[in-house]
Amino acid sequence: LAKTTQPISMDSYEGQEVNITCSHNNIATNDYITWYQQFPSQGPRFIIQGYKTKVTNEVASLFIPADRKSSTLSLPRVSLSDTAVYYCLVGSGAGSYQLTFGKGTKLSVIP
Amino acid sequence: GAGVSQSPSNKVTEKGKDVELRCDPISGHTALYWYRQSLGQGLEFLIYFQGNSAPDKSGLPSDRFSAERTGGSVSTLTIQRTQQEDSAVYLCASSFTTGLTTDTQYFGPGTRLTVL
Repeated sequence: LAKTTQPISMDSYEGQEVNITCSHNNIATNDYITWYQQFPSQGPRFIIQGYKTKVTNEVASLFIPADRKSSTLSLPRVSLSDTAVYYCLVGSGAGSYQLTFGKGTKLSVIP
Repeated sequence: GAGVSQSPSNKVTEKGKDVELRCDPISGHTALYWYRQSLGQGLEFLIYFQGNSAPDKSGLPSDRFSAERTGGSVSTLTIQRTQQEDSAVYLCASSFTTGLTTDTQYFGPGTRLTVL
């Protein structure tokens, strides 16, 4: 499984756009990039997944450069309720079930 | 529909006792996973089921840990002779395996285990 590196923590004010970058230099051709969000005392929750270029859903956008060695999760206009830990994972379909969660990025949104 | 449920939500036990943790996956999900999360740490993979079989038990930390799944649905994680280092939140997840992309795993709320 490709190893990922992301910042341990980030602070942001309400209403700002937050970008969390994840490095995955050893990503394989078949690997997808997935982000999960975890609130305190809850299990992780899927946010977004992509393979290349840009993916957008109602919650976030995911930017993936051509070399795919990194990815950036973008949260538009964060609110206090976005305070959580965000995990970046890399894996392919078959056999990637063992999701390797690192320590993630703890995002603190400040009023 | 109903999400993944786990029981109990909290469990306090004495060192040396056995505990059983239960997971009810989302109906129709063939894959089931167990993870462990210690305070302030990321998730540690324990075991994966596809149907009733467990092709990967590599994450189980010791032979005190075992898990089973019956009827392709409910799973039980058993920890024998609990130790204080077993204290953690035990998370269960399930997914509908498509094999086409990394399957989204849906997590339960977890069981917080405290070993005194």
